[in-house]
Amino acid sequence: GAGVSQSPSNKVTEKGKDVELRCDPISGHTALYWYRQSLGQGLEFLIYFQGNSAPDKSGLPSDRFSAERTGGSVSTLTIQRTQQEDSAVYLCASSLGSAPGETQYFGPGTRLLVL
Amino acid sequence: AQSVTQPDIHITVSEGASLELRCNYSYGATPYLFWYVQSPGQGLQLLLKYFSGDTLVQGIKGFEAEFKRSQSSFNLRKPSVHWSDAAEYFCAVGSDNYGQNFVFGPGTRLSVLP
Repeated sequence: GAGVSQSPSNKVTEKGKDVELRCDPISGHTALYWYRQSLGQGLEFLIYFQGNSAPDKSGLPSDRFSAERTGGSVSTLTIQRTQQEDSAVYLCASSLGSAPGETQYFGPGTRLLVL
Repeated sequence: AQSVTQPDIHITVSEGASLELRCNYSYGATPYLFWYVQSPGQGLQLLLKYFSGDTLVQGIKGFEAEFKRSQSSFNLRKPSVHWSDAAEYFCAVGSDNYGQNFVFGPGTRLSVLP
């Protein structure tokens, strides 16, 4: 079946502009995760959704970052007033449930470049 | 909170040689342990995971990993590397699925010589 998809695959924007990144999880997966991967770095957790609610927003680096999930499916990560340090690959993952150890299935990521 | 170290930033091996990628973690109890692989331009793919039971875990693509509690390690191994194994490998440790309770290591980049 279809895996996790993300769009756009690449995004170039100017400093100060807002961007929206989209994630389509695997059908039926109730849990959804956003991560950021900066050059040469590991994965940095941003936010987790169980259904449409976000029990853990602790990883969002600033109030310029927000995310929502509608219909228990598609999620959008929005970065307002982008800064150059926001340049990174943004990865989305989904899992069937949120029990500890559930396998997370990752999308290919959105590569964001802020000029 | 958990922490994960992958001591080797970059490893180069010849095709057909054996491989061992190191992963050490810090956690008070027995955690869930994972190895993921990320090929260039791709998302992460799960290679294997350990929850409990047999400490030697078999995964996809001929990989295996061994949990050693006494050494707080979960090293990934493959007896014979193929050129297609060139990628970035991430170890992850967690007592939960997200947030501070699920941590990825910094990754080890594997290069394979023909």
